[in-house]
Parts: sequence; C-alpha cells; structure tokens
Amino acid sequence: QVQLVESGGGVVQPGTSLRLSCAASEFTFSTYAMHWVRQAPGKGLEWVAGIWNDGTHKNYADSAKGRFAVSRDNSKNTLYLEMNSLGAEDTALYYCARGTYCSDGSCYSGAYWNYWGQGTLVTVSS
Amino acid sequence: HSALTQPRSVSGSPGQSVTVSCTGTSSDVGGYNFVSWFQQHPGKAPKLMIYDVTKRPAGVPDRFSGSKSGNTTSLTISGLQPDDEADYYCCSYAGKSYVFGTGTKVTVL
Repeated sequence: QVQLVESGGGVVQPGTSLRLSCAASEFTFSTYAMHWVRQAPGKGLEWVAGIWNDGTHKNYADSAKGRFAVSRDNSKNTLYLEMNSLGAEDTALYYCARGTYCSDGSCYSGAYWNYWGQGTLVTVSS
Repeated sequence: HSALTQPRSVSGSPGQSVTVSCTGTSSDVGGYNFVSWFQQHPGKAPKLMIYDVTKRPAGVPDRFSGSKSGNTTSLTISGLQPDDEADYYCCSYAGKSYVFGTGTKVTVL
C-alpha cells in the first residue's frame, strides 16, 4: 500500500525557516513526480510546488517563488520543502501528493494525484 | 493564476443529481485537457475522483462524471448518496503550474 508521511511542521515565528519532509514507501519513488499542496485553516487547497522524478524540473506557485525550494532524495525516498521568510499567510496544513509516472525523460502534465499524505501543520505566529 | 471559480455550495436529495461547475480561463481550464476533481471529507486528505476531464481512477463509482466546455468544466454526481456530502475542488494544469478551484460544499439533504 502506497504511503506518504509528512513531517517537520510546527509553530515558528515570522521571518524564520522550516524544512518539511515527505517519506514515501511501497512504490518506486524515483519514477514519479511529486507535489506539495497546502490548505490554510478553513480554506481551500493551494498547489505549492512540484518536482519531476529526477529533480531536473521544479515548478512553484507565485506565492512560493523565491522563498520555497522543493527537492528530493531518491536514495532516501524522501521529498522536501524548504520554506524561508515565513509569514502568517503560510500557516496551513501541508500535504505531499504523488504525481504522475515519468518515463523517457518527461512527466505527464495531468494532475493524476491519487495518493496523498495526511499532512503536517505549519503555524507561523509570534 | 487566480483560483478557478466554483459555487460555494450545491445541494440535492438522495438519489438526485447535482452538478458542480468550475470556471477558469484559456490559460488553464480552456487551454488543456488536464482537469482533475478532488473530494475532501472533513479532516481528511483529498481524494482524486476525476482526472483528464472525464476519466475515473479505479474504485471511483461511475456516478461521478466530468465534462468540459470552453473555459468551464463540470463535475456531475448522479444518484446522490449520503457519503457524497463533502467539499469538492477542481484543479487544472496552467502551464508549469496548477491551480485549484475555490471549492464547493455538496450537501445531501
């Protein structure tokens, strides 16, 4: 059974940094794109960032550009999200989601995100 | 990219059909056939219900169907059941990024 387990959330002060992790298991991690999606309390879903299976392509929402960095370690089956200059607007539950299968150097663009973790909560507050 | 526009709520009685609309632009919904729909029950992670506008993942009942016309895509739930009561979000590829809809609460009366 595919498993995605996020960790690294917590309460942090404005302007500080935090690194989230997403440990994947029971599938060949290195062959799938991965994504981060967040949900502020009582609000809707917001795509944050995505990364191809081999880490060569990374894309970000405008709200994350210049502050967040997505990365992965395929040897550890782990996805990361490094978040800097955090503000109150970043308070949210952060989910990782398995993206599409990648092959021949490309990843399908459809949002076939059928596996999600349970999320890790980030609270930015002074 | 601004969030796709969805109605805040729709409702129906058990057995009825409801349709949730999702309106974007030619840069997202209208420009690609990469629209997905997610169901989210309170306190739970989202669940993929529809992908590539009309396709259903394995295990999703055929009561759920998707369509698209121009910049608007729709999710139809037929034969409404109590467990269908949840929030539903559309999501579209927007050229190297993705954009979600504002979300619709479906209530089973």
